[in-house]
Amino acid sequence: QVQLVESGGGVVQPGRSLRLSCVASGFSFSSYGMHWVRQAPGKGLEWVAVIWYDGSNKNYVDSVKGRFTISRDNSKNTLYLQMNSLRAEDTAVYYCARDVGRADTFNYWGQGTLVTVSS
Amino acid sequence: QSVLTQPPSVSAAPGQKVTISCSGTSSNIENNFVAWYQQLPGTAPKLLIYENNKRPSGIPDRFSGSKSGTSATLGITGLQTGDEADYYCGTWDGSLSAGVFGGGTKLTVL
Repeated sequence: QVQLVESGGGVVQPGRSLRLSCVASGFSFSSYGMHWVRQAPGKGLEWVAVIWYDGSNKNYVDSVKGRFTISRDNSKNTLYLQMNSLRAEDTAVYYCARDVGRADTFNYWGQGTLVTVSS
Repeated sequence: QSVLTQPPSVSAAPGQKVTISCSGTSSNIENNFVAWYQQLPGTAPKLLIYENNKRPSGIPDRFSGSKSGTSATLGITGLQTGDEADYYCGTWDGSLSAGVFGGGTKLTVL
């Protein structure tokens, strides 16, 4: 069965960096686009970034452009999110999600990892 | 402020029907498929409807979706207390080159 397992969350000071990982299993990882979606405490879902199945294209929400980098290692079935210059407003649960072959729909989600940006 | 607009909350009695609206624009809903997600308290979102009106395996036919122009609607019939959750619409926005969600609708089954 499809599994997505995030890790790397924690408490970090403003301005510092953190790298999230998402290990995938149960499907052909290299065949699907992968996304990061976040949810601030008590708030709604916010799409963060996408990377195409082969890593050839990436898109980001405006609020993280220039600070976050999405990447993948298809040989390790792993998705990453490098988060630099973190701000308090980046505090959220970060979910990795697999799309259906189009970027408009996510049919599998991880359990999420909490990132808290605080001094 | 979310790109897609949903009502913050809806409520209805057990056994009744409820609809949740999702309003967007020509750069998102009108020209892309809409999906709906259910998020039970403390859990990850779960795909409920895809390609505007299709249900993944295991989703009961009490859940339905539709789309017309720049708006989409989720319908739930035969409400159960277990349906209490947050519901989100989502799609892709071609102008933003970004995924977009509605702000979420909290369903209360009275």
